[in-house]
Amino acid sequence: EAQVTQNPRYLITVTGKKLTVTCSQNMNHEYMSWYRQDPGLGLRQIYYSMNVEVTDKGDVPEGYKVSRKEKRNFPLILESPSPNQTSLYFCASRPQGSGELFFGEGSRLTVL
Amino acid sequence: GENVEQHPSTLSVQEGDSAVIKCTYSDSASNYFPWYKQELGKGPQLIIDIRSNVGEKKDQRIAVTLNKTAKHFSLHITETQPEDSAVYFCAGKGGGTSYGKLTFGQGTILTVHP
Repeated sequence: EAQVTQNPRYLITVTGKKLTVTCSQNMNHEYMSWYRQDPGLGLRQIYYSMNVEVTDKGDVPEGYKVSRKEKRNFPLILESPSPNQTSLYFCASRPQGSGELFFGEGSRLTVL
Repeated sequence: GENVEQHPSTLSVQEGDSAVIKCTYSDSASNYFPWYKQELGKGPQLIIDIRSNVGEKKDQRIAVTLNKTAKHFSLHITETQPEDSAVYFCAGKGGGTSYGKLTFGQGTILTVHP
């Protein structure tokens, strides 16, 4: 089944404790992206990657890192999480030249 | 860069009524406008999209209209059903220096009452 898989789906952590949210897609898509969803603010792009070893900042990159060492994986790293990073995070992918984004099911992160 | 504004933030309708959600965009070079539906506990899914060379597109009970001059586009859902209840997001794909970047609206929570 074609899908974007995120882990963990739910996580409660404390300020300053490094964490990684993994994202994997099995559709051989070139483009991958991370979004955060907050009430009243919609989906805001954190980072995106046009292909392996190519990443770029989105609208709200502060406090996040990403890497794209393989085509299928695009992990989101929070080196020192803070409470303002409490949010619902979505990974998405699409093939090059296509408009349709395929989203994962989301990762709800709470930073205390 | 592109700025997309979406209204209303919440919309409540009776089953069988129509629902309309409106979005405006700022980048006149934007050329692609998708709509995503997000059901509870799920990621958003594309339900319909329109390109800038088309004024209207329909898919069964769903239609999208685009007014390039006024820089706004709308989602129309006819004969609403309880399963249409969800969060709907519009988006615009920018041109120029924002080429390829999808900017989302704030979302509309649609509730269809049986």
